[in-house]
Amino acid sequence: EDQVTQSPEALRLQEGESSSLNCSYTVSGLRGLFWYRQDPGKGPEFLFTLYSAGEEKEKERLKATLTKKESFLHITAPKPEDSATYLCAAAGSARQLTFGSGTQLTVLP
Amino acid sequence: DVKVTQSSRYLVKRTGEKVFLECVQDMDHENMFWYRQDPGLGLRLIYFSYDVKMKEKGDIPEGYSVSREKKERFSLILESASTNQTSMYLCASSLLSNQPQHFGDGTRLSIL
Repeated sequence: EDQVTQSPEALRLQEGESSSLNCSYTVSGLRGLFWYRQDPGKGPEFLFTLYSAGEEKEKERLKATLTKKESFLHITAPKPEDSATYLCAAAGSARQLTFGSGTQLTVLP
Repeated sequence: DVKVTQSSRYLVKRTGEKVFLECVQDMDHENMFWYRQDPGLGLRLIYFSYDVKMKEKGDIPEGYSVSREKKERFSLILESASTNQTSMYLCASSLLSNQPQHFGDGTRLSIL
């Protein structure tokens, strides 16, 4: 059975304090790893897709990386508007994605 | 940009009512999904469809059914609403199963 585990569950950072969120996956035949951002009361917003180990994607203060066992979402010099829940999901052999439970990020001014 | 539109942002219904949640996508996507999201339980897949008139059960299909008569539209039906179906319901679509799903803004459903 495919599994995706995110850590930490919650993270509080000071504005400008860089950090990383972790997404560990156990998936038979990974066909894609996805990162989303979700604001309270809204649907998840797609951020990145990674398809193979060593791949990196970048957008503003966010950079996603992928290894054979995990993915990281690096946040550089975060701002309060980066506060949200970040979800990762993996596509394995099944038609549906397996989602992690998310990391709730709070960036304090 | 992909647009997934859910018919209502907020909905209040009574126990025992039949409830319809509608979802429309404008990108000719093959796959459509219905999730519910509850605090502490994450996203849970209810049903999905990979083609018109095709449906597959997700992890928690009990008490729900779905309909996909047209490619762009996927409906979730609560046959007889119960209070434990109070939740945030999210619809998503994707072109292929190894491509990202795109989500609507959700329907917050309260069953009284």
